[in-house]
Amino acid sequence: AQKITQTQPGMFVQEKEAVTLDCTYDTSDPSYGLFWYKQPSSGEMIFLIYQGSYDQQNATEGRYSLNFQKARKSANLVISASQLGDSAMYFCAMREGYRGGGNKLTFGTGTQLKVEL
Amino acid sequence: EAGVAQSPRYKIIEKRQSVAFWCNPISGHATLYWYQQILGQGPKLLIQFQNNGVVDDSQLPKDRFSAERLKGVDSTLKIQPAKLEDSAVYLCASSHGQLSYEQYFGPGTRLTVT
Repeated sequence: AQKITQTQPGMFVQEKEAVTLDCTYDTSDPSYGLFWYKQPSSGEMIFLIYQGSYDQQNATEGRYSLNFQKARKSANLVISASQLGDSAMYFCAMREGYRGGGNKLTFGTGTQLKVEL
Repeated sequence: EAGVAQSPRYKIIEKRQSVAFWCNPISGHATLYWYQQILGQGPKLLIQFQNNGVVDDSQLPKDRFSAERLKGVDSTLKIQPAKLEDSAVYLCASSHGQLSYEQYFGPGTRLTVT
């Protein structure tokens, strides 16, 4: 089974509008975390936001917020007031711990976001 | 603070040749990761180091790929011999581990095998 599922290969949004990028996950580990990364066409991976499985409140970082629904195993990214510079590939990733210590990151297949005027 | 450095940025080789990539993580970061990102896919972890010890290399094709992290700082990833399907971007990332789970990525090396 896929550990991280991003069902939207591509999304369009009008500038200044909000957009939600979907992410569902699968794990039996009680301690885990969800990341969102942005990858522009230049290729670098840019960290956006992190939510731990025990965090009580949804994470927010500026225009980014994470809609974490633990029972549904979903961790959707909400981008408010979209800007042209938000056009990029967005990856959801899950952190799981190794038994011997350390953490493993598993990425989804990504969603290509295009912001239009 | 300097970011994760990688070189070269681009490499074109013929199949059956060998190639090596270099990564210098952020100073003080104990954990170093190598990922393979094939076009249109998310990054896939190849190997994870904690200082100079291997934590996970379960997805590293060990018949052709090797990696080392001498002295717990810089790391090299080698492919020998390369196959066409190895064409991808190879990303190096590092994390502090104890202070934060966030992984900081380098710019990547784009490998084309012809």
